[in-house]
Amino acid sequence: TQLLEQSPQFLSIQEGENLTVYCNSSSVFSSLQWYRQEPGEGPVLLVTVVTGGEVKKLKRLTFQFGDARKDSSLHITAAQPGDTGLYLCALKTNAGKSTFGDGTTLTVKP
Amino acid sequence: NAGVTQTPKFQVLKTGQSMTLQCAQDMNHNSMYWYRQDPGMGLRLIYYSASEGTTDKGEVPNGYNVSRLNKREFSLRLESAAPSQTSVYFCASSEIGTVNSPLHFGNGTRLTVT
Repeated sequence: TQLLEQSPQFLSIQEGENLTVYCNSSSVFSSLQWYRQEPGEGPVLLVTVVTGGEVKKLKRLTFQFGDARKDSSLHITAAQPGDTGLYLCALKTNAGKSTFGDGTTLTVKP
Repeated sequence: NAGVTQTPKFQVLKTGQSMTLQCAQDMNHNSMYWYRQDPGMGLRLIYYSASEGTTDKGEVPNGYNVSRLNKREFSLRLESAAPSQTSVYFCASSEIGTVNSPLHFGNGTRLTVT
């Protein structure tokens, strides 16, 4: 059973469009992290959300943590080719292990 | 700063051969991890080491062994490689103390087993 479900699996859009990707779980989690991975590199942390209902902004990226702390979303405004990559959500247990979703592969065409 | 360094970057093995993937971090982190990444399957934890001298199995440990050589280095060994172990392997490190501390990843080792 996949602990974290991400959707959509693939997304291809034109430069300038907006998009939202989702991360859902049947379990409540205490915090959630979003990473971006570019081809040939390891994932890099974008943000950590901790509080139910929390919204964090990182330039054109807006991250939201659901009120019930079972889901999260990432919204990108006016996407650019540089946003192309694999977006991963992850939760970290108290034992220090991180579990990842399968990711959303985003392609932004110029 | 180098961060997390993995060697080699690429490797091709024949079935049954053995090899060791090396990982070193220069951030003085206590915890280190080995993940594998396969198409459409995200990152799956193979082994992790919460601190120097300790190692524990993750989600997919079969066919692998690890050694936490010191605080900086954490190696992953394939004793008898199988085609199912064709994957991209990532090493990561993190600080302990808070559940929100991020993972810092290396750039991966791309392994093909024929």
